[in-house]
Parts: sequence; structure tokens; C-alpha cells
Amino acid sequence: NAGVTQTPKFQVLKTGQSMTLQCAQDMNHNSMYWYRQDPGMGLRLIYYSASEGTTDKGEVPNGYNVSRLNKREFSLRLESAAPSQTSVYFCASSEPPGTGDQPQHFGDGTRLSIL
Amino acid sequence: QQPVQSPQAVILREGEDAVINCSSSKALYSVHWYRQKHGEAPVFLMILLKGGEQKGHDKISASFNEKKQQSSLYLTASQLSYSGTYFCGTGAYSGAGSYQLTFGKGTKLSVIP
Repeated sequence: NAGVTQTPKFQVLKTGQSMTLQCAQDMNHNSMYWYRQDPGMGLRLIYYSASEGTTDKGEVPNGYNVSRLNKREFSLRLESAAPSQTSVYFCASSEPPGTGDQPQHFGDGTRLSIL
Repeated sequence: QQPVQSPQAVILREGEDAVINCSSSKALYSVHWYRQKHGEAPVFLMILLKGGEQKGHDKISASFNEKKQQSSLYLTASQLSYSGTYFCGTGAYSGAGSYQLTFGKGTKLSVIP
């Protein structure tokens, strides 16, 4: 049982390059999330998708776009990478928080460095 | 707004107890607790819903005071395996009606022999 799978695990980009981070879950969850984690800042929500076909901005959406390709897959795109986007990116999934009691399951993260 | 966690860091000897606090300025629907070991993904510990309940498993438990918008995580008789960074996540509905989880900056717990 793979859970939440993120690719790639590591990536180095030059300023201005673009790339897409991939995330797939096999738990049949409706909701998916993208977070970034910077030292001393905790996890900050970039975008989320409450269900297939919907996406919403989180706390720090600037510079990012997302696509909910189907129920399993949720991708995060950096159109023009900036050094400030150097971070560890985590994808997570859960059942919809209908009663607020649904845990989030995290992938292993993508470590992204932008030079 | 991120919830505020305290302390930021704590060092314990095996067998000692610790309390990690999480407070929010917003009305809360739920509180999640996660533990993250260095270089790994956060792992779910427990969820508390409004109603002032207390939950626990093994020697880790938590409480949620809805009126004070605070939650506390209690670790008793700490083990080396408890080391890591603990995050609280506070759940609330936004003005647009969507539900979001906002994480605190974390509390780094180190258990030494």
C-alpha cells in the first residue's frame, strides 16, 4: 500500500525555469493538498482540492498553479521558479473534512532548490 | 493566522513528561496533532473535535479547550522514539465556507538517554 507518492524526491532548478511536481494517492481520498515547509515556519498550505474538479488557494499561492487531473492525481506547477521557492514540498490527502475528523496522509516530500 | 505553539523546543531525559501547547486567535472546529522526524513526512497522531474532549493512545494524550481555543499534547514517560518535531493543525471554516487546516511552527522535542 503506497499511500501518497510524490515525484521527484529531489530537484535543482535555475531561476526562471519551470517544473511540475507530481502527487498521486491510492487511498481513494477526495481531498488533496500541497504544502511547503521552510525552516522554522511549519507547514504552509499552497493550494488544495476538496474534490475532483475543484481547487482553492491556501495561505501562500503566489507563484504556483495546480491541476487536479483526476481523483488520484494533484500536480503543482512552478511557472518561473524563484530562489524564494526553495523549500520542501509535501502533498497530502484525506477524506473531506465533513465533520473535521479526517487525518491527512502525507507523501515523503520533494526537496526543491532554486539557484 | 498560524496557531502559536509553545515551547519552541524542549529536551527531556527518558522517562520524563512533557506538555506542548497550541493556541489560536480564531474559533476552532478541530485540532490535529502530527509528529515529524528529521527528513521524513509528518505522521498523524490524533484529532480532537470541539467539545473539550481528551484523547490518547499509549502514553501520548491531548486535550482541547474550545472556549480558550487551546489544545495541549501530553507525553508521559518519554521514550527515545518520541523525539521529533510536533505540529498542531487547527481546523476552521473560511469566510467562503471552505475548511482549512493551519499548522503551527512546531515544537522540537529531543529525548536523551
